[in-house]
Order: sequence, then C-alpha cells, then structure tokens
Amino acid sequence: GQQLNQSPQSMFIQEGEDVSMNCTSSSIFNTWLWYKQEPGEGPVLLIALYKAGELTSNGRLTAQFGITRKDSFLNISASIPSDVGIYFCARYGGGNTPLVFGKGTRLSVIA
Amino acid sequence: EAGVTQSPTHLIKTRGQQATLRCSPISGHTSVYWYQQALGLGLQFLLWYDEGEERNRGNFPPRFSGRQFPNYSSELNVNALELEDSALYLCASSSLGRSSGANVLTFGAGSRLTVL
Repeated sequence: GQQLNQSPQSMFIQEGEDVSMNCTSSSIFNTWLWYKQEPGEGPVLLIALYKAGELTSNGRLTAQFGITRKDSFLNISASIPSDVGIYFCARYGGGNTPLVFGKGTRLSVIA
Repeated sequence: EAGVTQSPTHLIKTRGQQATLRCSPISGHTSVYWYQQALGLGLQFLLWYDEGEERNRGNFPPRFSGRQFPNYSSELNVNALELEDSALYLCASSSLGRSSGANVLTFGAGSRLTVL
C-alpha cells in the first residue's frame, strides 16, 4: 500500500557504534531513496537505489535495495555526533505516483 | 547554484484565516512538490506540479490548493485554517516530471506554519 514501515522509530547510540535501520513495504517498487533531515532543514538525499539487490555506499553509509524489491536497509558505520538527525526512507512507484516517505528513524549519538 | 527557496520561514495565523506559502525551485527544474510534515507523522504528500499543471494530489481536503507559475515557482494556499494544519510545509523540486525514472527530489528548508 501507500505506507512504508520504517524501523526503529528512534535510536540512542554511543559514538563509534554502527547503526542499522530498515524500511519495508507490502508492494514492489523500482526505486528506494534514503534522506537525512537535520533540525531546521529540509531532508537531504543520501543514497538512491535503482536495482533489486543493489548495494551502494556513500562514505560511512551503505544502503541496500532488497532482493524482493519490498525493502531497503541503511547502515552507518562508526557513528559520529554529526550523524544526529532523522533518517527517512522513500520509495517511488513510477509514472505519476509521488515519492512516498516512511515516518523516519530519529538517531541520537552520545559522545 | 541556488537551492530550493521557500518563504516565509515562519508564519503564525489564527483559526479560519488563510495562509499562502511560496517556493522557488532549483533553476532548470520544472516539477514542484509540496509535503506536510506534522509532528510524528513523517512527510505527507500534498501536491505535485509540473509545467504549470497539477500532476497528482495527496489525500488532503480541497482547502489545500496551489498553483505553479510560468517561471516554475509555486504557491501553496491553505484556506479556513484549522489547528491541526500547524506543521512544517516542505517544497521540493526535480528535473523529471511525467517521464519515468527515479524522481529524486531536492528539498527547501520549509515554512513553519503555526495556527493558534
């Protein structure tokens, strides 16, 4: 359906720890995107995934497009304080359908 | 290159009033999207304009309306404001309209609307 299930809702981690979050849907989609939103700002694109099974890295971030095309994962290695923010997954169904977002994972990093 | 710009940054209105929010897309982008971000609800799709026409509309009442101008900038109007309309309104633009492919959006910083 329209909604994406994003988990966890929030995370509190120690600086240096690795982070993992995921997003699932009941339907198949051909594009998954991961955005990060910092306080007072709009969401900023982190990683875009276009193919089932695709694994893409951006510095300490790694995201994967699930092989079933119904899920996606985002991992952050060796977290630092500036990783704090809300991470959103988003999926695109094609055509005139809009980009639909998950409810976000709020990440807090304790120094 | 200038990003997506939105105005005003903050807006305070009372119930029943009307609010107008504005957005200028990245130069060369023809599509503009509006999303509502209320506390705890993530980003809810409102409206999508491309080449001056409404392409899609989210599940919001008709008092949410908008338009896109010939220079691709856009306006969101909210009539008969209700308390629950208090939210951050985000505008995004992209260079892909009706064509297939990934619709990667670039967002502005948002307009925070408070309804008292």
